[in-house]
Amino acid sequence: NAGVTQTPKFQVLKTGQSMTLQCAQDMNHEYMSWYRQDPGMGLRLIHYSVGAGITDQGEVPNGYNVSRSTTEDFPLRLLSAAPSQTSVYFCASRHGVGAEAFFGQGTRLTVV
Amino acid sequence: KQEVTQIPAALSVPEGENLVLNCSFTDSAIYNLQWFRQDPGKGLTSLLLIQSSQREQTSGRLNASLDKSSGRSTLYIAASQPGDSATYLCAFQGGNKLTFGTGTQLKVEL
Repeated sequence: NAGVTQTPKFQVLKTGQSMTLQCAQDMNHEYMSWYRQDPGMGLRLIHYSVGAGITDQGEVPNGYNVSRSTTEDFPLRLLSAAPSQTSVYFCASRHGVGAEAFFGQGTRLTVV
Repeated sequence: KQEVTQIPAALSVPEGENLVLNCSFTDSAIYNLQWFRQDPGKGLTSLLLIQSSQREQTSGRLNASLDKSSGRSTLYIAASQPGDSATYLCAFQGGNKLTFGTGTQLKVEL
């Protein structure tokens, strides 16, 4: 009964470091996406994927990369961390257009 | 561009009250509306999903309605309990993304 699993739950990075946030789902969902949540700004879409091998940019894609080699996994890469990327990151998945979205528990990232 | 507004931003009520949370949006071209609950430091838990062709959905003490013509949705919570304390978020799916409001922070007091 795992649903959407994100790792790690917490991470502290130094400016300029790179890292990958992991996201996996076991519901065979086609759509997966990454959001960031910042105080007063709600959740904003970073990148999304509509299936293995297909990715596209959301509202705030700069500084992030994604790939989708399998249906289950959708990692988010920070290329060179900046303090502005301090945020809580959520991964979500859904079966298709109009379907219910399910979220992971989030990764709280601090860049110092 | 779709914009979503949630009013009020915060609400404090005594236990047992019935309450209404409001969500308004600017673009009626939506696939569905979804209400979520978020506890502090946690992820989003889906509460209710209303397809664009539907008017309302119910789950237990929760009832959500959708009026596309007026650009509004409401979440009704009956007989509120302290365990209902959380932030409630509405989100509209249009195309490939969810557009979120900034939430209503609810506190239900004993």
